Amino acid sequence: SQTIHQWPATLVQPVGSPLSLECTVEGTSNPNLYWYRQAAGRGLQLLFYSVGIGQISSEVPQNLSASRPQDRQFILSSKKLLLSDSGFYLCAWNTGFTYEQYFGPGTRLTVT
Amino acid sequence: SQQGEEDPQALSIQEGENATMNCSYKTSINNLQWYRQNSGRGLVHLILIRSNEREKHSGRLRVTLDTSKKSSSLLITASRAADTASYFCATDAGGGADGLTFGKGTHLIIQP
Repeated sequence: SQTIHQWPATLVQPVGSPLSLECTVEGTSNPNLYWYRQAAGRGLQLLFYSVGIGQISSEVPQNLSASRPQDRQFILSSKKLLLSDSGFYLCAWNTGFTYEQYFGPGTRLTVT
Repeated sequence: SQQGEEDPQALSIQEGENATMNCSYKTSINNLQWYRQNSGRGLVHLILIRSNEREKHSGRLRVTLDTSKKSSSLLITASRAADTASYFCATDAGGGADGLTFGKGTHLIIQP
C-alpha cells in the first residue's frame, strides 16, 4: 500500500531564516505531487505541483520554492521566511490516472 | 484564489441527526470532491462526483451536484461523534495533474 510522509511535523522558525520541508511517498512510482498551504480557519491553497523529476509548476508568486530531486520526494523551501509564511503545509499525491488526492499528515510552521 | 464556498461555516447537531453541507463554486468543473479533515491532521478523500453525475452515494454519505447552479451538497446520515471534523469541497477543471481548488470548509460538531 502507498504511504506519504512529511517532516518535520512542527516547526518554529524566526523571520529571515531558511526553510526546508520534505515529503516522500512510498509504494508508488511516478506520482503527481502537490504542496498546499492552509492558513488558520481557511481552506487549502495550492502552491506547487509536479508531474515528474525536476518538473515544478508554481500556482502563486511567493517567498517559497519547490524541488523534486527524486521520483517520490518533494521539497518545499524558502531562503528567508516571512511572518506570512506561517501555516499548515500539506503534501499530497495522486497517480495521474485518478483525480482523488492523498494527503500527508502536514507540517505546522510558525514564523516568529 | 479559492473556488468554493461552503455553507454553513460551522454546524453543530446531535448525534444521530443528519448533517447537510453545501458548496458553491464559480467556474466550470470536471469533478467535485469532498474531503474531511480532523483537527490538525491531513485531509481524507470521501467521495468524488463527476460533472455529468447528479447524485452519488457512499455508505452514509450522499452527494448531489447541480452544475446549472454551480453547487453541491454533502449529506451525512445518522451522524456519529466520530464525524466531528471540517469538511471541504474541492474542484478540478480536468487538467489531469493540475491541483485542486478548495473551499473554506464547514466545521461540523456532533454533540453526543
